Amino acid sequence: QKEVEQDPGPLSVPEGAIVSLNCTYSNSAFQYFMWYRQYSRKGPELLMYTYSSGNKEDGRFTAQVDKSSKYISLFIRDSQPSDSATYLCAMGLPSGGGADGLTFGKGTHLIIQP
Amino acid sequence: NAGVTQTPKFRVLKTGQSMTLLCAQDMNHEYMYWYRQDPGMGLRLIHYSVGEGTTAKGEVPDGYNVSRLKKQNFLLGLESAAPSQTSVYFCASSFGTALSSYNEQFFGPGTRLTVL
Repeated sequence: QKEVEQDPGPLSVPEGAIVSLNCTYSNSAFQYFMWYRQYSRKGPELLMYTYSSGNKEDGRFTAQVDKSSKYISLFIRDSQPSDSATYLCAMGLPSGGGADGLTFGKGTHLIIQP
Repeated sequence: NAGVTQTPKFRVLKTGQSMTLLCAQDMNHEYMYWYRQDPGMGLRLIHYSVGEGTTAKGEVPDGYNVSRLKKQNFLLGLESAAPSQTSVYFCASSFGTALSSYNEQFFGPGTRLTVL
């Protein structure tokens, strides 16, 4: 059964802090790992994508995947008030593994205090 | 390039009324999805489509019907609305796993539905 666990927060940190967001999962077949950002009253937008294990960096954002522990993380450096949003982790099966595609966490509400 | 658009943005229904939510995408995506998002529940898949003329049930399909008569459009219908269907509805689309090594989904802005 697909299952993704994510702490809903809220997580409140001061501006400039390093933020760590995490998800755990139980289905070892997941190969694709994504982080979506959702601002209030908007649709989710893709922030980071990682295939299998390892790290990926994009500007202030770093995504990490540890498949052995079934644990993924998103780090935000030099956090800004504009980073305040809900962050959803999402996971996908290998290509052709199913059109229903992604399994989402429930989202962590992040607040960056000016 | 508008991406994924949804109509209407807001709607209030009375119990028992019916309505149709429209999703349109201009990215030539094969796959389209309807989700609902509720507080504390995250995104839950209602129905999805892997191509024109095809539909399939997701995690929470009861009380909803869908149609994909054109590749660019995906309609979600509520036949007899219930207060439990009060939610924010998101449409998404993707290239599809046949054309892409991963299934990035692009989301619309959402429709806020209240059923009284």
